Amino acid sequence: DAGITQSPRHKVTETGTPVTLRCHQTENHRYMYWYRQDPGHGLRLIHYSYGVKDTDKGEVSDGYSVSRSKTEDFLLTLESATSSQTSVYFCAISGPSQDLLYGYTFGSGTRLTVV
Amino acid sequence: QKEVEQNSGPLSVPEGAIASLNCTYSDRGSQSFFWYRQYSGKSPELIMFIYSNGDKEDGRFTAQLNKASQYVSLLIRDSQPSDSATYLCAVKSSGGSNYKLTFGKGTLLTVNP
Repeated sequence: DAGITQSPRHKVTETGTPVTLRCHQTENHRYMYWYRQDPGHGLRLIHYSYGVKDTDKGEVSDGYSVSRSKTEDFLLTLESATSSQTSVYFCAISGPSQDLLYGYTFGSGTRLTVV
Repeated sequence: QKEVEQNSGPLSVPEGAIASLNCTYSDRGSQSFFWYRQYSGKSPELIMFIYSNGDKEDGRFTAQLNKASQYVSLLIRDSQPSDSATYLCAVKSSGGSNYKLTFGKGTLLTVNP
């Protein structure tokens, strides 16, 4: 998937535990995004990054934090997982810039189940 | 709140027919528009983008944009069973100093052999 990988692909965790999802890109793109996808809600932006150590909130950021210490890695952390965070999580990268003509390229996704 | 609306479907068409997928958006400042295809259990895949009013053709796919009506559509000619998927409309607009894509909830297309 165009040099973007997510890990793990699947995870089952217990309520109240911290969880970290990893997104790794080899494209050297500046912009990276975390989305969640749920039936009836579509893709919703959680957080995004516009450079190393530069991040901002999306529309559903409560309960999530992110970090970006290197261009290639963008981490999403659920501080204390809840059942409402059971979802499929997608990481995406923008084009070489955030030019209006570039869409996003998505990773393969992480299916997270909180029990 | 910037909104992107799509008919959830399912839209069912026979093989060889034209499938028409529609999308409306609320932000008049939106500047570029994307169509993604998502097979069940897979990640979204970009298939078309358009930023000027009118039509843009790529193989069997045609994207149409009407900014005055805040409307964008995707036509799939000679539909094939392999086109069966969920199609996501996405709109790019500025949010402060950074552009972001806002997605519709998607339309499920089924092409019947």
